[in-house]
Amino acid sequence: DIQMTQSPATMSASIGDRVTITCRASQSISEWLAWFHQKPGKAPKLLISKASTLESGVPSRFSGSGSGTEFTLTINSLQPDDFATYYCQQYDSFPYTFGQGTKLDIK
Amino acid sequence: QVHLEQSGTEVKKPGASVKVSCKASGYTFTGYNMHWVRQAPGQGLEWMGRIKPNTGGTIYAQKFQGRVTITTDTAINTVYMELRRLRSDDTAVYYCARVETSYYDSSDYYWTFTFDVWGQGTLVTVSS
Repeated sequence: DIQMTQSPATMSASIGDRVTITCRASQSISEWLAWFHQKPGKAPKLLISKASTLESGVPSRFSGSGSGTEFTLTINSLQPDDFATYYCQQYDSFPYTFGQGTKLDIK
Repeated sequence: QVHLEQSGTEVKKPGASVKVSCKASGYTFTGYNMHWVRQAPGQGLEWMGRIKPNTGGTIYAQKFQGRVTITTDTAINTVYMELRRLRSDDTAVYYCARVETSYYDSSDYYWTFTFDVWGQGTLVTVSS
């Protein structure tokens, strides 16, 4: 199975900050990497697919980059709605696997 | 509007089975695969398996092989996930999630997709 390792596990930031979350795959997954965010009691929401493709309706302050085994999610100018848990996920091969999550909270 | 509506909360005893449903609306049901993902309390996301509604073809995570069955009823646009021999560590929220069918384009490039629409989740509690 492909292991996905996210860092950091938790982070604190302020409104307006720029934050970056990193995700590493245990083997190459090309660009088949997605980012989700999830709020308590809600289903995950797809933000970015194919490493850098922003989903329709997702604000442009979100961006993704990377290929192979190293990926990043960047959020520019944090907004109140962005404080949530973020997950990366590989869909290059079964079993699909997720990172352990990064909890982003308000400083 | 694309929507996945899941069945309600379940409470089961260890050793029992649970069957969760996921009814799709707003899109061509057989054009997308349906996956199941679960999340234990305070934990991360775990992929369980997938079904292709057009063929009934399934693939399961090895961890759940022999205990899980995913089925579909195309007449009512519904997918089911049955988990047997429940244990306390199966207590989790179970989500269905839609994934567009993979394909090769005219340049022979293989496109694959991920979970773009999710159900609201079904809490399954396993407790004696």
